[in-house]
Amino acid sequence: AQSVTQPDIHITVSEGASLELRCNYSYGATPYLFWYVQSPGQGLQLLLKYFSGDTLVQGIKGFEAEFKRSQSSFNLRKPSVHWSDAAEYFCAVGRDNQGGKLIFGQGTELSVKP
Amino acid sequence: EPEVTQTPSHQVTQMGQEVILRCVPISNHLYFYWYRQILGQKVEFLVSFYNNEISEKSEIFDDQFSVERPDGSNFTLKIRSTKLEDSAMYFCASAFDSSTEAFFGQGTRLTVV
Repeated sequence: AQSVTQPDIHITVSEGASLELRCNYSYGATPYLFWYVQSPGQGLQLLLKYFSGDTLVQGIKGFEAEFKRSQSSFNLRKPSVHWSDAAEYFCAVGRDNQGGKLIFGQGTELSVKP
Repeated sequence: EPEVTQTPSHQVTQMGQEVILRCVPISNHLYFYWYRQILGQKVEFLVSFYNNEISEKSEIFDDQFSVERPDGSNFTLKIRSTKLEDSAMYFCASAFDSSTEAFFGQGTRLTVV
């Protein structure tokens, strides 16, 4: 069965420090992969997506993610975190290579300390 | 920038009452979805809708739930007789086609008392 695991429930980083949020997936074929962010009281905003091609994808707000097939991972990175990045981050895989039928991970809550 | 809008942002209803959650998808999108997120749990797929019919539904989407696109712009989720365990954040999403990314609304927080 398809699944998505985000091993870290909560991460705290200092402002200006680098960030990596982990995501592992289980899927038989090349998956569609997504990272969404949810700020308090807000909806789910798409940060970036991977469908095919270059395994390093750039997203909005300075985020990037790298698809590693050998590790079944799609980790999200940012070189320098800003206080406004504090939010909950969700990794998702598109079932049946569809962009709207998603399986989400549990989410990682990011706190940023000054 | 086009966006998916959901109303209301928060709905409180008594157990056993019917509730309708409303969504206006992005205007040129053809695929529509509902998801829910119970507090502290994962975001879960409920149903997908295309060409005026349900294309897939999860096991959560039982006979108490229905979806409708009553006109060219709205997409609604109806829960006929709400239960306490229906309390959750409900997200609507839309996509241009089945292979493109979905855009989510702000969500409706449903509280059943």
